[in-house]
Amino acid sequence: DAGVIQSPRHEVTEMGQEVTLRCKPISGHNSLFWYRQTMMRGLELLIYFNNNVPIDDSGMPEDRFSAKMPNASFSTLKIQPSEPRDSAVYFCASSDRGWLQETQYFGPGTRLLVL
Amino acid sequence: DQQVKQNSPSLSVQEGRISILNCDYTNSMFDYFLWYKKYPAEGPTFLISISSIKDKNEDGRFTVFLNKSAKHLSLHIVPSQPGDSAVYFCAASGVNAGNMLTFGGGTRLMVKP
Repeated sequence: DAGVIQSPRHEVTEMGQEVTLRCKPISGHNSLFWYRQTMMRGLELLIYFNNNVPIDDSGMPEDRFSAKMPNASFSTLKIQPSEPRDSAVYFCASSDRGWLQETQYFGPGTRLLVL
Repeated sequence: DQQVKQNSPSLSVQEGRISILNCDYTNSMFDYFLWYKKYPAEGPTFLISISSIKDKNEDGRFTVFLNKSAKHLSLHIVPSQPGDSAVYFCAASGVNAGNMLTFGGGTRLMVKP
């Protein structure tokens, strides 16, 4: 199994530009999570999908952030317009949500730098 | 307010000795706890977990202890190896706490040869 795949691995952009991060979860997993890791706030959950439906987006910082999951094998996290404070590592994770198993499998992350 | 806290941002241990990483939580609804390990430029990987019905779970060199009354868990690594050097995240979830993982801020473990 290839694991969770994220692209791009690194992104450098200028303030005001649109940024799109992509994620392919592990096949068969029906839950997908987007996280952001920063030095100040650690690893924080942004949004969670179950069966392609957004369940909880309370972690999304503001309207500039949006996420979609058009099918079971693909999700995007979009920032428009981007700001320097959005610079962070963004992780996607997936889970099969078996009973008593909340184990999530993380992708390698996308390191975003907004200048 | 952080519901899961790892108060030690870093820990340095000599190879062969025990590493003890600590984690505290505040939400009494949490009933499942996990530890993740993260190497640089990689995503966190699952290490070990424990359900609230247990107070100890062991997997090889790794043991997690849970003290529900103190809302405290710890990860013991014995013996520590240089390859264990990484950032360790504690996480918690609960059926009645949204069922999503809440992570601590992480502890960077350095195991010196």
